[in-house]
Amino acid sequence: AQTVTQSQPEMSVQEAETVTLSCTYDTSENNYYLFWYKQPPSRQMILVIRQEAYKQQNATENRFSVNFQKAAKSFSLKISDSQLGDTAMYFCAFMKPRAGNNRKLIWGLGTSLAVNP
Amino acid sequence: DTGVSQNPRHKITKRGQNVTFRCDPISEHNRLYWYRQTLGQGPEFLTYFQNEAQLEKSRLLSDRFSAERPKGSFSTLEIQRTEQGDSAMYLCASSLEVRSQETQYFGPGTRLLVL
Repeated sequence: AQTVTQSQPEMSVQEAETVTLSCTYDTSENNYYLFWYKQPPSRQMILVIRQEAYKQQNATENRFSVNFQKAAKSFSLKISDSQLGDTAMYFCAFMKPRAGNNRKLIWGLGTSLAVNP
Repeated sequence: DTGVSQNPRHKITKRGQNVTFRCDPISEHNRLYWYRQTLGQGPEFLTYFQNEAQLEKSRLLSDRFSAERPKGSFSTLEIQRTEQGDSAMYLCASSLEVRSQETQYFGPGTRLLVL
């Protein structure tokens, strides 16, 4: 069974600084997807970034980028130029993309990020 | 496109009562998922639909839980004879499967408190 581990329950960063959130996972699959979602306080889950395991190039979305190390089963999220609006719970999630099958997301416990002014 | 919507946003009920939640997915999305999230935890999968067919239910989903997606549009999740342990955030997500690729988009959730 797949598992996702986020080893940092809480982190903080100063506004405009850079922070990296870690995520490791365990799977025997070769092809899969990894996601980072953010959940601001009392607001809905929002997709931050997505990575396909077959792609060697790390995904980037504006200030958000990942460091995907497939052999190490590591998928960290880097947030550059942190903004107050980045304050949220960040979840790492794993998906097996088998055609026609349940593609439920398997989630880590989350990392609570506080961006301080 | 207004995204995934869920109603109600909050529900307080007494133990033993029945509750029903609704999820309206993004209009062209053929897949719909229900997850449950308790405080301090990541979401846990409950069930999913492809169009109107419910294809899998988690072992977390006891017989008191039932979900439907008539005509492959909106979905409802009903909990009968609620228990205090049912208190949680219930999240709905929808997705469109395109060439085996899929990204799930979430609604705001329904927060249930069972007294």
